[in-house]
Amino acid sequence: DTAVSQTPKYLVTQMGNDKSIKCEQNLGHDTMYWYKQDSKKFLKIMFSYNNKELIINETVPNRFSPKSPDKAHLNLHINSLELGDSAVYFCASSPKGGALNTEAFFGQGTRLTVV
Amino acid sequence: AQKITQTQPGMFVQEKEAVTLDCTYDTSDPSYGLFWYKQPSSGEMIFLIYQGSYDQQNATEGRYSLNFQKARKSANLVISASQLGDSAMYFCAMREVHNTDKLIFGTGTRLQVFP
Repeated sequence: DTAVSQTPKYLVTQMGNDKSIKCEQNLGHDTMYWYKQDSKKFLKIMFSYNNKELIINETVPNRFSPKSPDKAHLNLHINSLELGDSAVYFCASSPKGGALNTEAFFGQGTRLTVV
Repeated sequence: AQKITQTQPGMFVQEKEAVTLDCTYDTSDPSYGLFWYKQPSSGEMIFLIYQGSYDQQNATEGRYSLNFQKARKSANLVISASQLGDSAMYFCAMREVHNTDKLIFGTGTRLQVFP
């Protein structure tokens, strides 16, 4: 039983295309996130949602549009893909954003390669 | 300014020896949480250990312990009796009370355990 699952695991696409990454968590958590891990392994938050509501948007280009149809799902749609979008994208969830001691549970990551 | 600093890009340790991975943080919040994650070569993010800013004792989880020095703003991870399977990237992260909706990560330390 995968707690946080994201699909696809690998995504190779051409510049200019539009693609989506799906994320689902079955932990009953209220808060979900998207993180981007670049080629130097740095993990940076992109978005945070609490119970379907956008809480954090870390100056991400508006080509990236998250969508949360319900609190168990947080999908990421990317328009007009650029070479610099190549990275590993992690979805994560936490029980609730208001508690300090809640770790984030991560999905297995989606390796996006733009060619 | 970097919120989380991990100054060791890479560390080597011999099997069965102990190793300390450094982490310093910067926050003006009175209350915060500190986390360590492991990322093996397979890519998933694995939560290891948590330390709250008001915790009186250093956190321990099996072979992992946290050397928390609040005045120095450091939260170093100590791995005792290293195993080959400990070879991975290790990330320090922080959640602040004024912004609990995100987990801020350091740049990571790559640990290699040799026989």
